[in-house]
Amino acid sequence: DTGVSQNPRHKITKRGQNVTFRCDPISEHNRLYWYRQTLGQGPEFLTYFQNEAQLEKSRLLSDRFSAERPKGSFSTLEIQRTEQGDSAMYLCASTAIEGTRQNTEAFFGQGTRLTVV
Amino acid sequence: DAKTTQPPSMDCAEGRAANLPCNHSTISGNEYVYWYRQIHSQGPQYIIHGLKNNETNEMASLIITEDRKSSTLILPHATLRDTAVYYCIVRVSWGKLQFGAGTQVVVTP
Repeated sequence: DTGVSQNPRHKITKRGQNVTFRCDPISEHNRLYWYRQTLGQGPEFLTYFQNEAQLEKSRLLSDRFSAERPKGSFSTLEIQRTEQGDSAMYLCASTAIEGTRQNTEAFFGQGTRLTVV
Repeated sequence: DAKTTQPPSMDCAEGRAANLPCNHSTISGNEYVYWYRQIHSQGPQYIIHGLKNNETNEMASLIITEDRKSSTLILPHATLRDTAVYYCIVRVSWGKLQFGAGTQVVVTP
């Protein structure tokens, strides 16, 4: 396993277009997270999944954003009607939660850099 | 999750130890201290974490004060490849990591 994989690495789109990003987590990791990072800031939490269930969504996740993890494996993040303010790095991370063990680390992908022009 | 305070930047000479401080005065008893770093244009990379005791791994050492209100990440022999933004995070929620602005560390020859 080569870690968390994100595609594409870079995406340039025109304002108003829809975009979709894909994240393939580490095999058998049951938790998957999406973050957004703008220039000079730390990553901001967007949402996370436990298997296929989306358990939490940040207020940052407007109704133009939707995330899915249909079979509890890979996940997609779609942004509809993109705006210039959506330009950012979108990061995916995964971790394995076993029972009540809570001190596990999250592994991040390389991110997808979105530029809306 | 508790808030952390880190200096915005620090420089370190190559080959010397880098000591990165973090204040987390409102940390709760069941919150862990995590450190991640992010090299330019890459995703964050896990470094180390701890609860009460000092921890060491192949990358770094983590020193947590007895009252747990602050900690120090030690990179024992900094190299140019250690230039990155270092994030100190405390959490009880094993899902959501809340990143601050971190410390930009620049290792110079």
